Amino acid sequence: SQQGEEDPQALSIQEGENATMNCSYKTSINNLQWYRQNSGRGLVHLILIRSNEREKHSGRLRVTLDTSKKSSSLLITASRAADTASYFCATAFYTGGFKTIFGAGTRLFVKA
Amino acid sequence: GAGVSQTPSNKVTEKGKYVELRCDPISGHTALYWYRQSLGQGPEFLIYFQGTGAADDSGLPNDRFFAVRPEGSVSTLKIQRTERGDSAMYLCASSQTPGGEQYFGPGTRLTVT
Repeated sequence: SQQGEEDPQALSIQEGENATMNCSYKTSINNLQWYRQNSGRGLVHLILIRSNEREKHSGRLRVTLDTSKKSSSLLITASRAADTASYFCATAFYTGGFKTIFGAGTRLFVKA
Repeated sequence: GAGVSQTPSNKVTEKGKYVELRCDPISGHTALYWYRQSLGQGPEFLIYFQGTGAADDSGLPNDRFFAVRPEGSVSTLKIQRTERGDSAMYLCASSQTPGGEQYFGPGTRLTVT
């Protein structure tokens, strides 16, 4: 079963607006990562936030992590049509190896 | 530099047959992951290698699935007695550090008829 759950499942916004996606998980983690997947294409790593970090930025991306609530959010500012994709959170935790569990994803559609 | 590559890109096989899927990770990446992704779903963890050893194989669905990485580089996912339910996109990823950011290959689309 998937550990990460994204919310909302789908999001449709106008170009220029901000998009916020949320992720919740169940167990203690080493880090949490966000990935993007364009339709029919491979996954691309966006950002990694460690369990002892609370916020991280990369360009138009801002990720927050609240380990007490076991949740994370991804904010994309000033969205563009090219941001249209599925976004997945993935939690990595140590089990003797680093198991990584993905959620079901948020499908973002940015209208030009 | 070269990214993660996977071969074949597509594989169609008959129910009951044996298949092998290959992953070439980025050179120097010690960690390697296999996932399975069905349409509209997130990748499902199958197995994690650190070097040559399978450090976590808890995601393999049953004993028909097996993976190896004998020299700590190329990995092969082997599926015996394939079933229609095995049809999916099989993804491989590698990372430079254990638990770090992963670089994904384009996947192998497996169809079992």
